[in-house]
Amino acid sequence: QSALAQPASVSGSPGQSISLSCTDTSSDVIRSDYVSWYQQHPGRAPRLLIYDTVKRLSGVSGRFSGSKSGNTASLTISDLQPDDEAHYYCYSHTGGSSLRVFGGGTKLTVL
Amino acid sequence: EERLVESGGGLVQPGGSLRLSCSASGFTLSGNYMSWVRQAPGRGLDWVSLMYSGGDRYYADSVKDRFTISRDHSKNTLYLEMSRLTVEDTAVYYCAKGPNMDVWGQGSTVTVSS
Repeated sequence: QSALAQPASVSGSPGQSISLSCTDTSSDVIRSDYVSWYQQHPGRAPRLLIYDTVKRLSGVSGRFSGSKSGNTASLTISDLQPDDEAHYYCYSHTGGSSLRVFGGGTKLTVL
Repeated sequence: EERLVESGGGLVQPGGSLRLSCSASGFTLSGNYMSWVRQAPGRGLDWVSLMYSGGDRYYADSVKDRFTISRDHSKNTLYLEMSRLTVEDTAVYYCAKGPNMDVWGQGSTVTVSS
């Protein structure tokens, strides 16, 4: 059971906006501003989208944005595209230590 | 172009050992902090280990005292020495660059089975 809880699945239609949540269940992780988000298509390596909670990696579509409220970080994807169908993982430090943790991942289905 | 290529995976019996390599190109490995991440079949991403540019190393509790991360400056290569392997270590192992893991290799598959 990860300290970062993500919903197992989310779905949306093309053109819609959706938000994927990442909740710190230990109250020890998302106090920092070091949340990253990764996209992974089947059979492929993960790809960094967002780092430091809100910064978009150069070259990543502006449709992807990150935010945080309290102990929950979120990845918002606007104008959903079929190719956005993938697994999404959040990642951060455990508070006060150098250990790292991934959320369990969310499978996004674009209907 | 910054690139990482893993190698060294394969089939190993429970209790055995294996060494994974991660060859870097387009950047100097020693000037960056590097991580290993694994993914068991059908499961999510699992952080394994990291090495800071200064040499400090950290491990997930599940692999501590069994896995060792190291690097060879002359070969610009990162390693993961794995010992006392169990079936739960079966996974695709990825190396990744930097604190944000902005560059990933293609992965190397480790299968622990008798």
